[in-house]
Amino acid sequence: AQSVTQLGSHVSVSEGALVLLRCNYSSSVPPYLFWYVQYPNQGLQLLLKYTSAATLVKGINGFEAEFKKSETSFHLTKPSAHMSDAAEYFCAVSEYGGSQGNLIFGKGTKLSVKP
Amino acid sequence: ETGVTQTPRHLVMGMTNKKSLKCEQHLGHNAMYWYKQSAKKPLELMFVYNFKEQTENNSVPSRFSPECPNSSHLFLHLHTLQPEDSALYLCASSQERVENIQYFGAGTRLSVL
Repeated sequence: AQSVTQLGSHVSVSEGALVLLRCNYSSSVPPYLFWYVQYPNQGLQLLLKYTSAATLVKGINGFEAEFKKSETSFHLTKPSAHMSDAAEYFCAVSEYGGSQGNLIFGKGTKLSVKP
Repeated sequence: ETGVTQTPRHLVMGMTNKKSLKCEQHLGHNAMYWYKQSAKKPLELMFVYNFKEQTENNSVPSRFSPECPNSSHLFLHLHTLQPEDSALYLCASSQERVENIQYFGAGTRLSVL
């Protein structure tokens, strides 16, 4: 079965600094990978997805992620953090690879942005 | 606005009460999901419905009873809950086999006293 591991339950950056949130996956078949964001008192919103096309995926709000098969990673980055980026971020993988099965979520990483 | 609406947004109930959570999606999707989100725990998938048929029940206690009368509506009926059931309950929908993207509602914050 597939799984994801998010390194760091809490990441703190200064406004304007680089954001790097780490996600490693375990998959025996080509995976579909996702990043979701959850703002306080809201549900999860899709940031971006990897579905076996381009390995560098651009999402909303200036975020992007790079699929690296050799490292089994799908880290989320943003060049310059903004106060509004403060939220919890979840990495997810399709349970059986591709578009099959349910989504398996990581434990989440809470991002704080300092002024 | 994600196209998935959950009501109520907040609910406080005693352990002997019966209440229901409602979810409605306006996206034309054919799959709907209930998740439980507790503090410091991963998102827990509870139930999955595809074309109104329940396809997954992840060992959820019987005090939680889902109902899916049509592809647009999903309910979670609650009775004799325990304090540890206090959590954020999220509903999601997706178009089956299309990139597996799920769209989430804002959730119902449930407190069991």
